[in-house]
Amino acid sequence: SQQGEEDPQALSIQEGENATMNCSYKTSINNLQWYRQNSGRGLVHLILIRSNEREKHSGRLRVTLDTSKKSSSLLITASRAADTASYFCALLSQGGSEKLVFGKGMKLTVNP
Amino acid sequence: SAVISQKPSRDICQRGTSLTIQCQVDSQVTMMFWYRQQPGQSLTLIATANQGSEATYESGFVIDKFPISRPNLTFSTLTVSNMSPEDSSIYLCSVARTGAGYTFGSGTRLTVV
Repeated sequence: SQQGEEDPQALSIQEGENATMNCSYKTSINNLQWYRQNSGRGLVHLILIRSNEREKHSGRLRVTLDTSKKSSSLLITASRAADTASYFCALLSQGGSEKLVFGKGMKLTVNP
Repeated sequence: SAVISQKPSRDICQRGTSLTIQCQVDSQVTMMFWYRQQPGQSLTLIATANQGSEATYESGFVIDKFPISRPNLTFSTLTVSNMSPEDSSIYLCSVARTGAGYTFGSGTRLTVV
């Protein structure tokens, strides 16, 4: 399957704590992307990491990619209640296809 | 980055009827993508819409059920035909931004009764 799989499927933390989400996949990728979805609304792109990159930062977000282990992690530091959402990893496979394949998603709850 | 206007935002429809969802992009794009998100589930790609050619459907999705139009480089429609309660989902369109992820419409929440 080309689909990524997030772990854990649900996470509940307190404001100020860090949240780490993992994504494992099975195919060779061009890049891996993370998205956030609030309450079943449209998705918001958070960060993209290419297959030749190992780490990227964007504000309070840090993404790592280990292509040898076919896994990625998303770290949200100093979490806020507004970070409560569903998070998805999505894969763009090698080979020129522009089809983005989404993982099953994970639900993050940040308690005030 | 591209901005997508998707409508309607939600609708409640009777079974057996059809609903057409529209997506307007504020810039020209080669491909537009249509996704379905069933309740509590992830996004599943329905089809890729190319301007000037027929849409390419993913396994499990057929043109008779989900006809797609792509009359120009900024607009596409997805029709959900002969609806049943199993079609109740969020439908989203998206476009790719080179090297910068995908932009999604705000989604259409469809309930079939």
